[in-house]
Amino acid sequence: DAKTTQPPSMDCAEGRAANLPCNHSTISGNEYVYWYRQIHSQGPQYIIHGLKNNETNEMASLIITEDRKSSTLILPHATLRDTAVYYCIVRVAGGSQGNLIFGKGTKLSVKP
Amino acid sequence: ETGVTQTPRHLVMGMTNKKSLKCEQHLGHNAMYWYKQSAKKPLELMFVYNFKEQTENNSVPSRFSPECPNSSHLFLHLHTLQPEDSALYLCASSQGGGYTEAFFGQGTRLTVV
Repeated sequence: DAKTTQPPSMDCAEGRAANLPCNHSTISGNEYVYWYRQIHSQGPQYIIHGLKNNETNEMASLIITEDRKSSTLILPHATLRDTAVYYCIVRVAGGSQGNLIFGKGTKLSVKP
Repeated sequence: ETGVTQTPRHLVMGMTNKKSLKCEQHLGHNAMYWYKQSAKKPLELMFVYNFKEQTENNSVPSRFSPECPNSSHLFLHLHTLQPEDSALYLCASSQGGGYTEAFFGQGTRLTVV
């Protein structure tokens, strides 16, 4: 699976949009971009995934560049409960979807 | 509530003890996983089970012994652990195939004394 690079930490004001970047310059054509987050001392939680088109769900939006070498997770109106470590993971579809390679992620701190 | 339940939530054990961690999923998934998260380190995949069969063991020491009696239950048997084995142990499940997500339990915080 391709390696991803994320900033170690970011701050965001409550109510503002949080934009979390991820670089995955070695991504292959059949690899998807997944985002998970882990709130302190809890298990990771799936957020969203995509291949090449932008995706949106009730939690977030995922913007993938045209060359697919980077992506941005957007939390449109961050709340204090969004404070967590956010992981960007690249992997192929199919197989065991719980077989994930986690990096260090981005620690997002949402401040009042 | 993710549909994946782990017990106990916290466990303190001596190095000579034998204990077991339990994971149960109510999602009808056919794949289950054990992860380890040590302090200040990324999550590490330990074991993968598909349809009750172990399909992956990431060089985990034999003092960790997994058991999957059916697709809904997963155990991690622990014996003669070391203090460096203290960590958060997470269980996950997934449907397998396609590109569905994995669901994680809340984890068991293990302290070896």
